[in-house]
Amino acid sequence: GAGVSQSPRYKVAKRGQDVALRCDPISGHVSLFWYQQALGQGPEFLTYFQNEAQLDKSGLPSDRFFAERPEGSVSTLKIQRTQQEDSAVYLCASSSQGYSGSSYNEQFFGPGTRLTVL
Amino acid sequence: RKEVEQDPGPFNVPEGATVAFNCTYSNSASQSFFWYRQDCRKEPKLLMSVYSSGNEDGRFTAQLNRASQYISLLIRDSKLSDSATYLCVVITDYGQNFVFGPGTRLSVLP
Repeated sequence: GAGVSQSPRYKVAKRGQDVALRCDPISGHVSLFWYQQALGQGPEFLTYFQNEAQLDKSGLPSDRFFAERPEGSVSTLKIQRTQQEDSAVYLCASSSQGYSGSSYNEQFFGPGTRLTVL
Repeated sequence: RKEVEQDPGPFNVPEGATVAFNCTYSNSASQSFFWYRQDCRKEPKLLMSVYSSGNEDGRFTAQLNRASQYISLLIRDSKLSDSATYLCVVITDYGQNFVFGPGTRLSVLP
């Protein structure tokens, strides 16, 4: 079946430009996560949705970053007034149910969007 | 101090070698632990969960030591296809997010 898809796969933006990154999770997956991965580093958590509710946005680095999932499926990560330090791979992951405190469902990752800010 | 730390690597080993990776975490409230594998320019994929009693999956063995806040991954009889970056992942009980370590890169040489 189809996995998590992300678009665009590559994005080059001029400093100050706004960008929007899209994530299509696996159909029926309740939970959706966004991560930022800098070169040579592990992914860093940005935000988490359960259905359409954004339950945790503690990882968003500044108020220039905004994420939404209005209908509980597709999600968009928007970065306003991009800066060079925003250059990274943005990964989206989905899982079939939220973390309940005692159980876990595997997170399936999309291929990522590589953002380069010039 | 970072929340999750790993051996810096890279590890370059010959085919057939046994290699071990270490991971330490700082939050004693951490509840769940995993190893993910990430190939170059690809997305991370779950390799295995880590259970308190230790667990094995073929050539791979994971161990957890809660007292020392330490996780390990052992790969026996390494194959060329094992070449990748291995990411240690920790979930705490107060959040829903995964905390990834920086990863350890492994190159298995012919």
